[in-house]
Amino acid sequence: DIVMTQSPDSLAVSLGERATINCKSSQSVLKSSNNKNYLAWYQQRPGQPPEVLIYWASTRESGVPDRFSGSGSGTDFTLTISSLQAEDVAVYYCQQYYNGPRTFGQGTKVEIK
Amino acid sequence: QVHLVQSGAEVKKSGASVKVSCKASGYTFTDYHMHWVRQAPGQGLEWMGWINPNSGGTNYAEKFQGRVTLTRDTSITTAYMELSRLRSDDTAVYYCARENWYYENWGQGTLVTVSS
Repeated sequence: DIVMTQSPDSLAVSLGERATINCKSSQSVLKSSNNKNYLAWYQQRPGQPPEVLIYWASTRESGVPDRFSGSGSGTDFTLTISSLQAEDVAVYYCQQYYNGPRTFGQGTKVEIK
Repeated sequence: QVHLVQSGAEVKKSGASVKVSCKASGYTFTDYHMHWVRQAPGQGLEWMGWINPNSGGTNYAEKFQGRVTLTRDTSITTAYMELSRLRSDDTAVYYCARENWYYENWGQGTLVTVSS
């Protein structure tokens, strides 16, 4: 199984400041035949189901604010919130859908400093 | 607009079984695999398996093999997750999720509480 490891486990950021979350996979999730990274990012607000923010590592889901962006390739990925808003308080998960069991990172909790 | 509406919370005794439903609407039910993911209190997301609503074919996480059964009823566009031989550590919120490679839509979740 592909193991997904996020860092940090939690972070506190001031309103309007940048938040950066990292995700590392135990093997590459880049398919060379189509040059796509099979990686998604989800946001889970308290008491709510997860919602997709980013897929194919860097494609923003329709309706997601453009302060959210995804980058990276192969085994190393980043989710960036360029200017943290109060409604961004949540747990963020990366997930690979490259092969085998769908695996998630352990989650990163984002709070307001 | 896609909607996945799950059945209500359940309280079960250890050793019993639970069956959770997921009613899909707003898309062609048989065109997309349905996955099940669970989340224990205060914990992360754990994949359980998927069902192909067209063929009925399934794939289960090794951890749940022999205890989980995914089924569907295409006439009412509903997917089901049944978990047997429940233990206290099966207490969790169970989600269905529509796969479009990634999980494009999620149900609202169903809390299953297992008591001894």
